[in-house]
Formats: sequence, structure tokens, C-alpha cells
Amino acid sequence: DAKTTQPPSMDCAEGRAANLPCNHSTISGNEYVYWYRQIHSQGPQYIIHGLKNNETNEMASLIITEDRKSSTLILPHATLRDTAVYYCIVRVAYSGAGSYQLTFGKGTKLSVIP
Amino acid sequence: GAGVSQSPSNKVTEKGKDVELRCDPISGHTALYWYRQSLGQGLEFLIYFQGNSAPDKSGLPSDRFSAERTGGSVSTLTIQRTQQEDSAVYLCASSPQSGAAYGYTFGSGTRLTVV
Repeated sequence: DAKTTQPPSMDCAEGRAANLPCNHSTISGNEYVYWYRQIHSQGPQYIIHGLKNNETNEMASLIITEDRKSSTLILPHATLRDTAVYYCIVRVAYSGAGSYQLTFGKGTKLSVIP
Repeated sequence: GAGVSQSPSNKVTEKGKDVELRCDPISGHTALYWYRQSLGQGLEFLIYFQGNSAPDKSGLPSDRFSAERTGGSVSTLTIQRTQQEDSAVYLCASSPQSGAAYGYTFGSGTRLTVV
């Protein structure tokens, strides 16, 4: 699976948009971009995923560049409860065989400031 | 249940003792994963179960670690002759199928402390 690079930490003011970048310059054509987050003392939580089109759900938006070498997770109105470590993961889609565990890096620690 | 349940939530054990950690996945989820997270570190993959297929044990750090999944549901992770470096939070996750990376649901973990 392609490696990802994320800043170790970011701050965001409460109520503002949080934009978390991820670089995945070695991504291949059949690999998706996934975002998970881990709030302190909890297990990771799925946020969103995408292949090449931008995606939006009730939690966040995912913007993937046209060359797919980087992406940005956007939390439109950050709240204090969004303080967490955010993981960007690149992985192939399911093809019916093999082991498909997620590989977590160190992520970005987002601190939402009141 | 509504989520992945792990027990115990906390376990303190003496060095050299064996421990068993339990995971109850979401009903109907065929894939089950064990990870561990040492203090301040990222998640480390340990083992993966999918239906009746042979488990992927490639992440187990030593032969002191083993896991089983009975009846395609509950899983137990066993650590024999625990060492201080085994201290970590052990997380279990399940997903509806092995390839659905978006479908992972994690439990809250078992915090293991070896003294």
C-alpha cells in the first residue's frame, strides 16, 4: 500500500473549518484514500473515503487532487469534540482474496481551540 | 450488540503471567482484526480473521501471542508469559467483509499493563 505523509499536529479555532492535508504521491490507480480519527481513549472511527471524486457525508468532505497525489479532509465547522488524531490511509479496494488490514501511520493531532 | 465489545477494559498483570483478551464483534460482521497501540504510538496490526479462512497472523510480534475465533464470532487474544513491553491498548475491529476498509468498527480496547 502507498505511504502517506501528514503533518504531526494542527490547531483550529472552534467554529472554523479544519483542513487536514495528506500527501500520497505514490498512490496507484486502484488505491482508495480513507480517513479515520481517534478521539482520546477510544478506538478509531471511520470518517470518509474516496477514489478520485470529491466526497461529502455528514461528518466531513474529502477533496482529492486531480493527479490523486494528495487530498484534504475538511471538517466544515470544527467543534471541541473534533479534537482527535486523524489518520489518512491509502489502500487497495477489495478483490476477493487476501488480508485487507488497514495500516495506520502516526496521523495528525488536531486540537480545536475554544 | 450495537458495537464491538471488548473485555476487560483494563487488565493489570504480573510479568510472566498469561492473559486472555476478549472481543465480541458486531453480529454479522465476517471480518475481525486485532491491533495494539503502545503509549503515544500508532496502531500496529496483529491478526486478521475472515470467515472460515486461515487467519493472517503476519502481525503477531512473537510466538507468545495467539488468537482464535470461535464459530465465526467471538475472538480471544492470548498472550503467554507476558513481558513489560506487551503493555499497550489492544483494539479489536470488525467489518462486514474483509475488503471494506470503510466499514471498520473498533471497540474501545483493553488497556493491558504488565508490572
